[in-house]
Amino acid sequence: EDKVVQSPLSLVVHEGDTVTLNCSYEVTNFRSLLWYKQEKKAPTFLFMLTSSGIEKKSGRLSSILDKKELFSILNITATQTGDSAIYLCAVGNNYGQNFVFGPGTRLSVLP
Amino acid sequence: EAGVAQSPRYKIIEKRQSVAFWCNPISGHATLYWYQQILGQGPKLLIQFQNNGVVDDSQLPKDRFSAERLKGVDSTLKIQPAKLEDSAVYLCASSLVGGQGANYGYTFGSGTRLTVV
Repeated sequence: EDKVVQSPLSLVVHEGDTVTLNCSYEVTNFRSLLWYKQEKKAPTFLFMLTSSGIEKKSGRLSSILDKKELFSILNITATQTGDSAIYLCAVGNNYGQNFVFGPGTRLSVLP
Repeated sequence: EAGVAQSPRYKIIEKRQSVAFWCNPISGHATLYWYQQILGQGPKLLIQFQNNGVVDDSQLPKDRFSAERLKGVDSTLKIQPAKLEDSAVYLCASSLVGGQGANYGYTFGSGTRLTVV
């Protein structure tokens, strides 16, 4: 059974700090890994990763995948209060297009 | 482009009552998903449709949950009778295509928060 683990489950930081969120997975026939940000109800798409070692960046957010060690990290630099959210990691396999989600990391950024 | 529309946004019902949720995916999106997200957990897939056919409903509690996607566009998810443990946010998502080889994620709706008392 496919499995996604995220750590930490909860994190409190102050504005300006840099944070690293972790996602490890076990999946048969890995295809892709997704990161989502969930502020209220609807998760919003951040990144899709399919290849090892290629960093994806969007502003202060960046992510990278290690397919050998089966994990991904999401970095947020110079955090802002607007970054407070749950960050979800999801993994898909080659058998279908649904994704298995991890429990999420709840990030709280204090002013 | 318009996003994934869901209604209602909130619903409070008593246990053993029935409830239905509605989802309208992004125009042209062939694949539609219903996810259940219990507080403190990640979303869990309930059912996946490709057009109007079911691709995966292995985690749908079929004794009480049902879903349909008539005409391959809108979808409804029903719970009858509801239990306390069904309290969750029900998220609908859609994507252009499904199946092997697809290389992108999908777009979520705002969800319906169900409280069973």
